[in-house]
Amino acid sequence: DQQVKQNSPSLSVQEGRISILNCDYTNSMFDYFLWYKKYPAEGPTFLISISSIKDKNEDGRFTVFLNKSAKHLSLHIVPSQPGDSAVYFCAARLYGQNFVFGPGTRLSVLP
Amino acid sequence: ETGVTQTPRHLVMGMTNKKSLKCEQHLGHNAMYWYKQSAKKPLELMFVYSLEERVENNSVPSRFSPECPNSSHLFLHLHTLQPEDSALYLCASSQDGAERDTQYFGPGTRLTVL
Repeated sequence: DQQVKQNSPSLSVQEGRISILNCDYTNSMFDYFLWYKKYPAEGPTFLISISSIKDKNEDGRFTVFLNKSAKHLSLHIVPSQPGDSAVYFCAARLYGQNFVFGPGTRLSVLP
Repeated sequence: ETGVTQTPRHLVMGMTNKKSLKCEQHLGHNAMYWYKQSAKKPLELMFVYSLEERVENNSVPSRFSPECPNSSHLFLHLHTLQPEDSALYLCASSQDGAERDTQYFGPGTRLTVL
């Protein structure tokens, strides 16, 4: 059973609009979360992180929100750009243990 | 070279071949990882090395054999693979023991087993 789920395999958004990528997890003890972006033929690139003691972290156009009661994580990209088209993975971790990755969501930003 | 590098980028091998994948990290990290990514599946952790010692092996078949000669280099030795082993193999590194350790990935090796 997957501990980290990304229920939308794909998402299409118009350029300039907001992209919202969602991630759900089952283990309430996870204390650190990451988002990675992956282009074809490249390895995942770290994007943004959030600790369980926070509910929001912002870095430029990227904001990650954490709702611990719902065990839900989301990544907002505003405004979306064609170069944001990639597969986005969320990952979660128990302190001292290894990260568990979601299956990814493919984002397509349409010009 | 910067970050995490992997060679080769693409590899095609027969089921009876022996080959090795190489990973090198230039980030000064002390932990390295091998992941397998199959189509439409989450990243699967295969091996973890911390301070050059294997600390985790997630029940990976013995036809995959890791080697970590030092904190900057990691190998994955392959022998008598099966077609279902065809996948993208990713190497990553991190600073183990840091409270907020983030893994940095290499570009991967696309492996095809015929």
